[in-house]
Amino acid sequence: GAVVSQHPSWVICKSGTSVKIECRSLDFQATTMFWYRQFPKKSLMLMATSNEGSKATYEQGVEKDKFLINHASLTLSTLTVTSAHPEDSSFYICSASTQGNEKLFFGSGTQLSVL
Amino acid sequence: GQQLNQSPQSMFIQEGEDVSMNCTSSSIFNTWLWYKQEPGEGPVLLIALYKAGELTSNGRLTAQFGITRKDSFLNISASIPSDVGIYFCAGQRHLYNQGGKLIFGQGTELSVKP
Repeated sequence: GAVVSQHPSWVICKSGTSVKIECRSLDFQATTMFWYRQFPKKSLMLMATSNEGSKATYEQGVEKDKFLINHASLTLSTLTVTSAHPEDSSFYICSASTQGNEKLFFGSGTQLSVL
Repeated sequence: GQQLNQSPQSMFIQEGEDVSMNCTSSSIFNTWLWYKQEPGEGPVLLIALYKAGELTSNGRLTAQFGITRKDSFLNISASIPSDVGIYFCAGQRHLYNQGGKLIFGQGTELSVKP
């Protein structure tokens, strides 16, 4: 099956710094990528939908200036958590869909801890 | 954001027992999906359902897409210790320019006692 690579798998940073998370589709072109946030033992909450070459669509309540999403190519989307604070600590997961949105594949997630 | 209502929230069962969990929604979905997630990993797709009334099996797992398109259930037969994890249902709507975004249920945490 298709593979979505997410990097890094975990990151610890100081409060006030920015962190970039990458999501790559390794063997297919992903016209659409999704970013989710998950708290321990909780559901995945969709943060934003990104289409290659256009601005991301953010879900209600998600700060677009806080969580910058770039989908510059058909195989790469990045999520940058700007000026991170402890409350941003969470598990972030990306997913990518194939052309025609027939199938959706998830990355392995990034655990962010902000000190 | 919108969520599906998934129940039960957690289950503690004996190895060999059957398990059933379900999801309901107030709105219609085109596709229902069931995922399993283990600690520190992303969700892994178990079963995808595309038509109302569809009943699909994957080994010991069976899932159905409700006739109303507003619900789905997942059954696991003869559970084994490696079934432990959190199971999520997800509904998908195929919207223009949104690539069929998923709405997730709250999850069912399954514990299996050997």
